[in-house]
Amino acid sequence: EADIYQTPRYLVIGTGKKITLECSQTMGHDKMYWYQQDPGMELHLIHYSYGVNSTEKGDLSSESTVSRIRTEHFPLTLESARPSHTSQYLCASTLGDREGYTFGSGTRLTVV
Amino acid sequence: GNSVTQMEGPVTLSEEAFLTINCTYTATGYPSLFWYVQYPGEGLQLLLKATKADDKGSNKGFEATYRKETTSFHLEKGSVQVSDSAVYFCALRAGGTSYGKLTFGQGTILTVHP
Repeated sequence: EADIYQTPRYLVIGTGKKITLECSQTMGHDKMYWYQQDPGMELHLIHYSYGVNSTEKGDLSSESTVSRIRTEHFPLTLESARPSHTSQYLCASTLGDREGYTFGSGTRLTVV
Repeated sequence: GNSVTQMEGPVTLSEEAFLTINCTYTATGYPSLFWYVQYPGEGLQLLLKATKADDKGSNKGFEATYRKETTSFHLEKGSVQVSDSAVYFCALRAGGTSYGKLTFGQGTILTVHP
């Protein structure tokens, strides 16, 4: 049973729409992350958070934004979707500094 | 900076064959090392981990040993099954300026035929 939940699993939207990808975890983890996975499988960190009211940009520049108002919730927003945003988005969380991450099932976004 | 290099794929094997996927790393300090597996249409699942030199991680018949002298963490399985077909990612977590962020290899596609 997943302890980190992403919704929706699949989303097809038109160019210019605003969307929010949801990510919630029930493990009380402080650290949360968003990755973008391209069709070639490579994973790119786009945002991370070390706790409430903490957000940082990742290694790959992204037009998306994130917020962390509650420990368990880390949504990602695209104000105006474009076809170049078509990708799989993976959310993850962790507790310790040497432990692995727990990943959600991902949101596959297609912008037409 | 930190980096992970994985064996180029894809890898295609027959059922019951021996599997090795090579992984080498560059990191500051003493990283923790991980193997993740991604099945089609899914997120990543932690397969195994090792947090210090000479540790052996194991799970579901897969094994990997943390070799500091060769900076390697190769994944092995003695007899693969069709259900092992997936993408495998090697990863590390190190301190310093990365603040414990996971650094992934590029992934290796494994296909197992009956």
